[in-house]
Amino acid sequence: AQTVTQSQPEMSVQEAETVTLSCTYDTSESDYYLFWYKQPPSRQMILVIRQEAYKQQNATENRFSVNFQKAAKSFSLKISDSQLGDAAMYFCAYRSRETSGSRLTFGEGTQLTVNP
Amino acid sequence: KAGVTQTPRYLIKTRGQQVTLSCSPISGHRSVSWYQQTPGQGLQFLFEYFSETQRNKGNFPGRFSGRQFSNSRSEMNVSTLELGDSALYLCASSLGVTQYFGPGTRLTVL
Repeated sequence: AQTVTQSQPEMSVQEAETVTLSCTYDTSESDYYLFWYKQPPSRQMILVIRQEAYKQQNATENRFSVNFQKAAKSFSLKISDSQLGDAAMYFCAYRSRETSGSRLTFGEGTQLTVNP
Repeated sequence: KAGVTQTPRYLIKTRGQQVTLSCSPISGHRSVSWYQQTPGQGLQFLFEYFSETQRNKGNFPGRFSGRQFSNSRSEMNVSTLELGDSALYLCASSLGVTQYFGPGTRLTVL
């Protein structure tokens, strides 16, 4: 079974600065997907970014980028030029590509505070 | 396109009752997954339906069940409610790789 670990329960950043959220995972599979989701106070889970394990290039979406280290089983999220609207709970998630289905395994979450 | 919708948004029940939650996926999405979110256990996978068939099941007791209709809408049912079933229940739909989530149903069991 796969596990996902987020070792930082809380993080804070000043507006306009950069912050990195950490995620590690454990799997015996070689083909999978990794995601970062954001959950603001409204509780709506919003996709931030996705990474395919077979791609060596790190995914980027505007101010959000990842550092994917497959051998180390590490998948960190970097938020540049942080904005007040980035304040939320961030979840790292794993999805197998080797078994059928869309099942996501989530980490515990990191609560991000953005200070003005 | 309209997003994933869940009804009701809030629900209060008492122990021993049963409850049915509904999820309408994004148009064209055939996969619907359900997750339970609690402060203590985090986000846990309940089950997934695809084309009216259960494709995956998480580690929950048989009191938790679900189904999917021909229009891809899904329902989940919890029978004999326990206090520990109080949670946010999230539904997600997908067409390919990415799951898109609904706003959730907040269930409180008294």
